[in-house]
Amino acid sequence: GENVEQHPSTLSVQEGDSAVIKCTYSDSASNYFPWYKQELGKRPQLIIDIRSNVGEKKDQRIAVTLNKTAKHFSLHITETQPEDSAVYFCAASKRDSGAGSYQLTFGKGTKLSVIP
Amino acid sequence: DTEVTQTPKHLVMGMTNKKSLKCEQHMGHRAMYWYKQKAKKPPELMFVYSYEKLSINESVPSRFSPECPNSSLLNLHLHALQPEDSALYLCASSQVGRGIVLRSYEQYFGPGTRLTVT
Repeated sequence: GENVEQHPSTLSVQEGDSAVIKCTYSDSASNYFPWYKQELGKRPQLIIDIRSNVGEKKDQRIAVTLNKTAKHFSLHITETQPEDSAVYFCAASKRDSGAGSYQLTFGKGTKLSVIP
Repeated sequence: DTEVTQTPKHLVMGMTNKKSLKCEQHMGHRAMYWYKQKAKKPPELMFVYSYEKLSINESVPSRFSPECPNSSLLNLHLHALQPEDSALYLCASSQVGRGIVLRSYEQYFGPGTRLTVT
């Protein structure tokens, strides 16, 4: 099955600095890589995703890069703000060709703290 | 409407109780998922329904019994749980892929039910 490794497990940055979280996956059939932000006691919220036919995607202060050959993808947050503090999970997914549903395999998460 | 709702928000139950968790979505999604999340851990997949049929059961103990009565509703029936089953139970939904194009779709999560087993 798929295995997703995520680093670092904790990350502290000063407000305004950039934060980078890295993930690797094992299954070359995985073709969809979402990133979720989860604040304490709340649901995981999709913040950005990338599909395997794209190398980079950006949405305002957030960007994701994907290297299919190396099987790794990264989340970049620029100009960090205190409200960016949360746990971030990467995930890898591929479609179950029979049922049409998707199995997300999550990384272990990164606790990001943005220090004002 | 891009919302998945779950009830109840919190549930405390004894080890001999029977209770149910409910999940509802009105996005027309035909795949629905149950996840279990322990503190400081990622969500772990439990069950997947596709077109109201169980397609994945990740070796979950039989004290957890899923049910998908229609395309909008997903239930999780609980019976004879153990204290270690205390966790946040998350429901999610997504579109279903069709045909030969193996495109993946976003999963939308509900707010979860915080379950405590005493």
